Amino acid sequence: QVQLQESGPGLVKPSQTLSLTCTVSGGSISSGGYYWSWIRQHPGKGLEWIGYIYYSGSTYYNPSLKSRVTISVDTSKNQFSLKLSSVTAADTAVYYCAKGGDLKEFDYWGQGTLVTVSS
Amino acid sequence: DIQMTQSPSSVSASVGDRVTITCRASQGISSWLAWYQQKPGKAPKLLIYAASSLQSGVPSRFSGSGSGTDFTLTISSLQPEDFATYYCQQANSFSFTFGPGTKVDIK
Repeated sequence: QVQLQESGPGLVKPSQTLSLTCTVSGGSISSGGYYWSWIRQHPGKGLEWIGYIYYSGSTYYNPSLKSRVTISVDTSKNQFSLKLSSVTAADTAVYYCAKGGDLKEFDYWGQGTLVTVSS
Repeated sequence: DIQMTQSPSSVSASVGDRVTITCRASQGISSWLAWYQQKPGKAPKLLIYAASSLQSGVPSRFSGSGSGTDFTLTISSLQPEDFATYYCQQANSFSFTFGPGTKVDIK
């Protein structure tokens, strides 16, 4: 059973970089065919896909966030990470990490972590 | 970018009712569609993938259908634990988009 857990600061100042890490247990992040993804949800709103890193290391980002997003992987720690630069209050959201399966469905999710952007 | 719409945005129903939620993609996505259930304060839970495949452990009262641009999620007999918000998600090409959600609440 794969489990994911987000970690990182819950408060980030405007213009700074939001950094979160997702630790994966119960499976290897370098095993084939999976899309290790970040998804966010603004308070009281719907879900927004941020981007993913494929097991091969290739990345793909939501075009609306692409200029500010970097997703990387540390296979030695079985973790992948999100960096979102130049944040504003509009980036305040619950951030989820998730595993994208063979048919591009998100079959495992972390519990989510609230990140607030405020001075 | 592929846009997703859902209807209705909310529905009030009673235990035992049949509930149908519709999801439409702005362009054809074959069967690259999933459905999720989300309860307040919780992460979304995968219900259906590849438009009609039931995720392991999900009750059989949930079913999905459709292909191309039009899809449906049906709950055959609504149970108390089914009151939640439901999202569709497309995964055509290299990107993913969620629908705006449908809230199912108690009538």
